[in-house]
Amino acid sequence: EVQLVQSGAEVKKPGESLRISCKGSGYSFTNYWITWVRQMPGKGLEWMARIDPSDSYTYYSPSFQGHVTISTDNSLSTAYLQWSSLKASDTAIYYCARTGVFPSKGWFDPWGQGTLVTVSS
Amino acid sequence: DIQMTQSPSSLSASVGDRVTITCQASQDISKYLSWYQQKPGKAPKLLIYDASNLKTGVPSGFSGSGSGTDFTFTITGLQPEDTATYYCQQYDSLPPTFGPGTKVDIK
Repeated sequence: EVQLVQSGAEVKKPGESLRISCKGSGYSFTNYWITWVRQMPGKGLEWMARIDPSDSYTYYSPSFQGHVTISTDNSLSTAYLQWSSLKASDTAIYYCARTGVFPSKGWFDPWGQGTLVTVSS
Repeated sequence: DIQMTQSPSSLSASVGDRVTITCQASQDISKYLSWYQQKPGKAPKLLIYDASNLKTGVPSGFSGSGSGTDFTFTITGLQPEDTATYYCQQYDSLPPTFGPGTKVDIK
């Protein structure tokens, strides 16, 4: 079974750093891109960024460029989303999802279960 | 960026009803559109890709159609377990963008 399993919920203070993870299994990790999606409380889905594990090529939405960093450790079949300095407005659920090359296989499937990040002083 | 709109934003229908949601792209996206179902407290799930292809294992009561800028998602025979928010998403060009969602519940 293809699945993505994300790390657990986090509670952080503004200005702190954080890295959350997304572990893939059931498929060849380097054959598919990993994408990250944000969902703020009670809101819709926002695409953040994607990474190609085979060459670490990344593409960020302008809305998130410079505020987050995505990476992978292919030996662990794991992707990461990290912040160097969190803000209260980063409070959200973050999902990872597998995607194929754009546009021919650009849908997102499967999704991780989500990681709730709460940033509060 | 390509803007996606959905209508209605919410709807309430009876069990067994046929429900239709529309999604419009701000420019031609060919067939590169997917539909997701998100139940409360859960991650989104892919239902349809390439505008009309049903993901394996998804009930046949779900369907999609359209191309270019105008797309339709239909639930034929609404069931209580279909209560969820449904999102369209284009992947014709980066960045991929989602519609604002349509919340579907049972009357």
